Amino acid sequence: GAVVSQHPSRVICKSGTSVKIECRSLDFQATTMFWYRQFPKQSLMLMATSNEGSKATYEQGVEKDKFLINHASLTLSTLTVTSAHPEDSSFYICSALTGVSYGYTFGSGTRLTVV
Amino acid sequence: GENVEQHPSTLSVQEGDSAVIKCTYSDSASNYFPWYKQELGKGPQLIIDIRSNVGEKKDQRIAVTLNKTAKHFSLHITETQPEDSAVYFCAASTGYSTLTFGKGTMLLVSP
Repeated sequence: GAVVSQHPSRVICKSGTSVKIECRSLDFQATTMFWYRQFPKQSLMLMATSNEGSKATYEQGVEKDKFLINHASLTLSTLTVTSAHPEDSSFYICSALTGVSYGYTFGSGTRLTVV
Repeated sequence: GENVEQHPSTLSVQEGDSAVIKCTYSDSASNYFPWYKQELGKGPQLIIDIRSNVGEKKDQRIAVTLNKTAKHFSLHITETQPEDSAVYFCAASTGYSTLTFGKGTMLLVSP
């Protein structure tokens, strides 16, 4: 089946630095990628939707200059958290549309801790 | 936009019992309803899904039912096992669009 590989699984960074999270579709072409954020004991909150070759569409309240999304190819999408602060600490998850019967495949998530 | 309500927030059962989680949705245009299992520190995994042209779908111990008129769908797990313990999310979409998630149900299966 469709697989989305997400890396890193965990990252700790210092406040003020930037962190890049990668999601790769391994056996299919992901024309659309969704990025979610999840706080402890809460549901997934959609941050943005990216289509290959286009600018990402951000949800209301999500700072586009802080959460940079690049979807330059059909198999790779990246989320860069710029100038990270402790309040950005969260679990970030990507999801790709597989293009087959509304299928959505999720990455394994990235636990970001900003210290 | 779509709104998905999920109940209960926590469900505790004994091993071997059945578990039922219910969701309601607001957008009558929604036509795809997946259920995800999320274990601690991992991404959601699809366990079963149903489309609006089907009323029920079953896969071994797991089944999902959909009532389009009432706009609700339910997850049924029979013969629960300790390894079924996790957080379960329902979701809805209009197909090839964003998924709207429920708030999740923590299922605890005691041996």
